[in-house]
Amino acid sequence: AQSVTQLDSQVPVFEEAPVELRCNYSSSVSVYLFWYVQYPNQGLQLLLKYLSGSTLVKGINGFEAEFNKSQTSFHLRKPSVHISDTAEYFCAVSKTGTASKLTFGTGTRLQVTL
Amino acid sequence: NAGVTQTPKFQVLKTGQSMTLQCAQDMNHEYMSWYRQDPGMGLRLIHYSVGAGITDQGEVPNGYNVSRSTTEDFPLRLLSAAPSQTSVYFCASSSPGRGAFYEQYFGPGTRLTVT
Repeated sequence: AQSVTQLDSQVPVFEEAPVELRCNYSSSVSVYLFWYVQYPNQGLQLLLKYLSGSTLVKGINGFEAEFNKSQTSFHLRKPSVHISDTAEYFCAVSKTGTASKLTFGTGTRLQVTL
Repeated sequence: NAGVTQTPKFQVLKTGQSMTLQCAQDMNHEYMSWYRQDPGMGLRLIHYSVGAGITDQGEVPNGYNVSRSTTEDFPLRLLSAAPSQTSVYFCASSSPGRGAFYEQYFGPGTRLTVT
């Protein structure tokens, strides 16, 4: 079975500052890794994904994440956040070939203020 | 394409009542799933389907039934609602992409309160 740990439940940050949201996973098999964003009262939207290949993955809205197999991490970063980035961010994993069954972390609420 | 649609958006039930949460997709996706979202717990898989006529249990299936008679629809049934089922429910559908990857598309959610 897979599991995902998002250690930070909330991350406050000022606008235009950089941010990193941490995600660690546990799995005995190869995995796909995802970051989803949920804006208030909306469904989830895929930000980016790691399937294979380059460990640095770029997504929408200027976000990127780096897959580190030795540390079993997939941290999400943005060099300069905007007020509109305020949302809940979920890290998720699935076994390779079975992305219909996602295991989610508990989420990190990013709060961007002026 | 409307994508993944869910009805109703909000629902209040009394303990013991039954209801069906509707989910439909118009993208001809094979896979459909139901998740529940609870504060501090992320999303947890309830049931999923790999095609019409085929369903299976996820992580938290107790108290819920599903069926998949068509590719488009995947309703979730609560036979006897309990306060522990108060949650936000998301339906998702997915299709094969590059390699064996299935990108999931989520509906807008149904907020259910059981009193």
